[in-house]
Amino acid sequence: QKEVEQNSGPLSVPEGAIASLNCTYSDRVSQSFFWYRQYSGKSPELIMSIYSNGDKEDGRFTAQLNKASQYVSLLIRDSQPSDSATYLCAVNMLGGNTPLVFGKGTRLSVIA
Amino acid sequence: NAGVTQTPKFQVLKTGQSMTLQCAQDMNHNSMYWYRQDPGMGLRLIYYSASEGTTDKGEVPNGYNVSRLNKREFSLRLESAAPSQTSVYFCASRRGDFNTEAFFGQGTRLTVV
Repeated sequence: QKEVEQNSGPLSVPEGAIASLNCTYSDRVSQSFFWYRQYSGKSPELIMSIYSNGDKEDGRFTAQLNKASQYVSLLIRDSQPSDSATYLCAVNMLGGNTPLVFGKGTRLSVIA
Repeated sequence: NAGVTQTPKFQVLKTGQSMTLQCAQDMNHNSMYWYRQDPGMGLRLIYYSASEGTTDKGEVPNGYNVSRLNKREFSLRLESAAPSQTSVYFCASRRGDFNTEAFFGQGTRLTVV
């Protein structure tokens, strides 16, 4: 069973703080990893992708990947109320054009 | 650039009725997917089409059928709707290469009464 696990939350952080979202996956051979943001009533939108061990930064967002620990995280710096959403972790476990496997998502609430 | 377009956006069906959800993408993607999303359950794959001419079952295929009409279009059919199929349905597409992301349509909110 190919699984992606996320803490469902809600994760509450004050405005301006760093939000840390975590994801673990079951398949050691997984190669590509994605973070999506989903606002209530809307469709998921891609915010970050990462393929190699280490950190990848894009503006206020940093994705971190540790393949040995089968762990991927998303850090949001200077969190804003507009960051309040559900964040979905997705993993391409078998490579190629096999479907992405999604976690159930972590709900983030940024308190002004 | 429209991306992935789903129709309809909202639908109410009576138990036993049938309907087809339409999905079209204009990004020349090879792979297309149908997911359903229910509270607390995340995105669950119903069916997918890795390339034009192929379809495969996902995690929750029972009660559904699909057609990959051409490279652009991938439809999802409910032959006899049941209340358990009340959900939000998302169509997605990917180029299909190794490290490519999925792009989602705006979703169809389906209620079966």
